[in-house]
Amino acid sequence: QITLKESGPTLVKPTQTLTLTCTFSGFSLTTSGMGVGWIRQPPGKALEWLALIYWNNDKHYSPSLKSRLTITKDTSKNQVVLTMTNMDPVDTATYYCALRQNDYYFDYWGQGTLVTVSS
Amino acid sequence: EIVLTQSPATLSLSPGERATLSCRASQSVSRLLAWYQQKPGQAPRLLIYDASNRATGIPARFSGSGSGTDFTLTISSLEPEDFAVYYCQQRSNWPLTFGGGTKVEIK
Repeated sequence: QITLKESGPTLVKPTQTLTLTCTFSGFSLTTSGMGVGWIRQPPGKALEWLALIYWNNDKHYSPSLKSRLTITKDTSKNQVVLTMTNMDPVDTATYYCALRQNDYYFDYWGQGTLVTVSS
Repeated sequence: EIVLTQSPATLSLSPGERATLSCRASQSVSRLLAWYQQKPGQAPRLLIYDASNRATGIPARFSGSGSGTDFTLTISSLEPEDFAVYYCQQRSNWPLTFGGGTKVEIK
């Protein structure tokens, strides 16, 4: 059974750095073709893909946010970590992590975590 | 970046009616497009992959078609649990992109 779960702060101040952790089970990020991505969704708005890391440590970022994002993995802990610097109120959103297998689509998602950016 | 434009933004229909949702890409994505369903407070769920393939466990009333730049998600007869927001997503090019969504609401 594949599960993913996001964790991190629910409230961050403007200019701070956000660190989110995706802890997963039921698959290994050492298996060829596996990738874990981050997607966010501001309240009432559409989904936005942010970043993705593959089993071989290949990484991809949204061009509009690339300068602020870093994605890493810890295969021993079955975790993927996303950091986003210089947070702004417009970054208020539910952040999801999701599994992408063999370059297809996101077929397993975490429940999401709401992050509010406010002073 | 490939922009996906979904229409209409909102679709007001009654249970039992047919729903037709559109997703248009700013450039060809071949058939590399998926559809997701999202209900309030829930994560998206993959419905259709590569334009016309139903994901595991998805009922046959959901079907997808299209290629190139124009895609359609059809729900043949709306069930009460189908009222939700639907998103398309392409995997043809980086960055991965989603459409703006279509809300299917009860009329």
